[in-house]
Amino acid sequence: GAVVSQHPSWVICKSGTSVKIECRSLDFQATTMFWYRQFPKQSLMLMATSNEGSKATYEQGVEKDKFLINHASLTLSTLTVTSAHPEDSSFYICSAAPSGLAKNIQYFGAGTRLSVL
Amino acid sequence: KQEVTQIPAALSVPEGENLVLNCSFTDSAIYNLQWFRQDPGKGLTSLLLIQSSQREQTSGRLNASLDKSSGRSTLYIAASQPGDSATYLCAVLRAGGSYIPTFGRGTSLIVHP
Repeated sequence: GAVVSQHPSWVICKSGTSVKIECRSLDFQATTMFWYRQFPKQSLMLMATSNEGSKATYEQGVEKDKFLINHASLTLSTLTVTSAHPEDSSFYICSAAPSGLAKNIQYFGAGTRLSVL
Repeated sequence: KQEVTQIPAALSVPEGENLVLNCSFTDSAIYNLQWFRQDPGKGLTSLLLIQSSQREQTSGRLNASLDKSSGRSTLYIAASQPGDSATYLCAVLRAGGSYIPTFGRGTSLIVHP
């Protein structure tokens, strides 16, 4: 089956530093990838849609300068949390939609837990 | 705006019980509905996907039904096991719109031996 790998699975960083999270589709190409955020006992909230070779589309209320998204290839999207603060601590999950299939088919990564001290 | 509600929020049952998890959505114009499993600190695993034209889907001990007109779906788990302990999320994809699913908050299930 389609596998999406996220790295790292857990990261602890100091306030003010930047953290990069990678999302890779291992056995398929993904023109579109999605980044979600999940607070404890809350639902997944879409942050942005990442399209290969073009700028990401951010959801309302998500700061694009804070959460930098790069989708440079058909198998890799990265989310960089810049100047992280404790309130950015959360669980970040990516998903990937295989190229050529309907975009409602998404495969999810295992998530990255970010803890900002 | 689509809203997805899952009831109950938490459930604790002894092993062997048959369970029903509920999901309701406010806009019946959906493309599909999907049930996911999420283990603590982990990503999502897709369990069942029901297209809007379907009434139910089955996989092993899991059965999901869809009543689009009333805006409801149920996930039935037969003969529950401790390994079923996880959070179960329902996600609805709107018809004719974006391909971004709307997730419920989930039902946290504990099956104790």
